[in-house]
Amino acid sequence: EVKLVESGGGLVQPGGSLRLSCATSGFTFTDYYMSWVRQPPGKALEWLGFIRNKANGYTTEYSASVKGRFTISRDNSQSILYLQMNTLRAEDSATYYCARDHYGSKAYWGQGTLVTVSA
Amino acid sequence: DIVMTQSQKFMSTSVGDRVSVTCKASQNVGTNVAWYQQKPGQSPKALIYSASYRYSGVPDRFTGSGSGTDFTLTISNVQSEDLAEYFCQQYNSYPLTFGAGTKLELK
Repeated sequence: EVKLVESGGGLVQPGGSLRLSCATSGFTFTDYYMSWVRQPPGKALEWLGFIRNKANGYTTEYSASVKGRFTISRDNSQSILYLQMNTLRAEDSATYYCARDHYGSKAYWGQGTLVTVSA
Repeated sequence: DIVMTQSQKFMSTSVGDRVSVTCKASQNVGTNVAWYQQKPGQSPKALIYSASYRYSGVPDRFTGSGSGTDFTLTISNVQSEDLAEYFCQQYNSYPLTFGAGTKLELK
């Protein structure tokens, strides 16, 4: 069974940093692209970026809204996906989801972790 | 960026009805479109990829269609558990983008 479990969310001050984790199981982690998607309360989904699989060199792509502030990485030995978030702003407040990709669609999703950026 | 427009924010339906949720892309995205279902307090669930292919375990009352710029998710014989929000997404080009969502409600 594919499982994705996010953690690391919480309250952070504007300008602060946070690292989210996504522990995975039930599949061969290195075979898949992995994504981060966020959703502000009551709003639509926003793709943040992904990290490619082993066959594609674990390279990354980001949306313009987070490029340069957020970094996606993966620990392939432990099957964990990360999202390092720096210089956080109020508009980054959202539930953050990790997802396993299927040719660009998001086949499996975690339960999400809530990030609140507020003084 | 490609804008995915779901023009209907809310749609009313009854159990047993057939309902179609539409999504229009601002540029040609081929068939690189997925559909997701999200219930309150839950994470999204993938329903359809490549515009018309159902993910494993998705009931066959969910059907995706379309190509180019116009896409439709049709739910036949709507069940009470189908009352949720539905999002489309394009993955033809970066950045990947989602529609704003359509909430399916009971009449």
